[in-house]
Amino acid sequence: EVVMTQSPATLSVSPGESATLSCRASQGILTNLAWYQHKPGQAPRLLIYGASTRATNIPPRFSGSESGTEFTLSISSLQSEDFAVYFCQQYDKWPLTFGGGTKVEVK
Amino acid sequence: EVQLVESGGDLVQPGGSLRLSCAVSGFTSSSYGMTWVRQPPGKGLEWVSYINPGGDVIYYRDSVKGRFTTSRDIAKNSLSLQMNSLTAEDTAVYYCARRRAYSGYDLDSWGQGTLVTVSS
Repeated sequence: EVVMTQSPATLSVSPGESATLSCRASQGILTNLAWYQHKPGQAPRLLIYGASTRATNIPPRFSGSESGTEFTLSISSLQSEDFAVYFCQQYDKWPLTFGGGTKVEVK
Repeated sequence: EVQLVESGGDLVQPGGSLRLSCAVSGFTSSSYGMTWVRQPPGKGLEWVSYINPGGDVIYYRDSVKGRFTTSRDIAKNSLSLQMNSLTAEDTAVYYCARRRAYSGYDLDSWGQGTLVTVSS
């Protein structure tokens, strides 16, 4: 199966600063990658699909990019509501697999 | 408004069975591919199963094949996950999620999850 490795596990950021989250696939997955935001007790929220396309109603401060098997989620000017856990997911091959998550916390 | 609400999570003994439901509103579940995803305590998300809109294509992760069964109730606009021969490794919050229309298998709507605990 495709192993998705996210780094760092925890990212401490001050409000208003930017954050860069990484996700690496163990094999090629084209751009079949999604990013999700997950807050405790809430439903996960789709942010990005196709590696770089923002989902409906996702603000432009969230952006995704890819370079081979390396994927990046960038969040510019973090707002209070952005502190959460972020997961990547590949959907190029079965089984669908997720990364272990990056927790973005207040510095 | 699109909503998915899971129910049925409980404490169950090893070897036991449980049936989870996912009630859908705001869309017709049988028009979309639907998945179950779980999150064991302290761990990341794991895909569990997928059912296509027609209900004739169903995939499972290897560790649940032969034990879990995904099905639709079209009349109730809901999704079910029948779980048998449960083990401690099945302990997790279980989410149902909708595959985004005309897409790859990214998931554009999720429920809040229901907790399944397998323990004696």
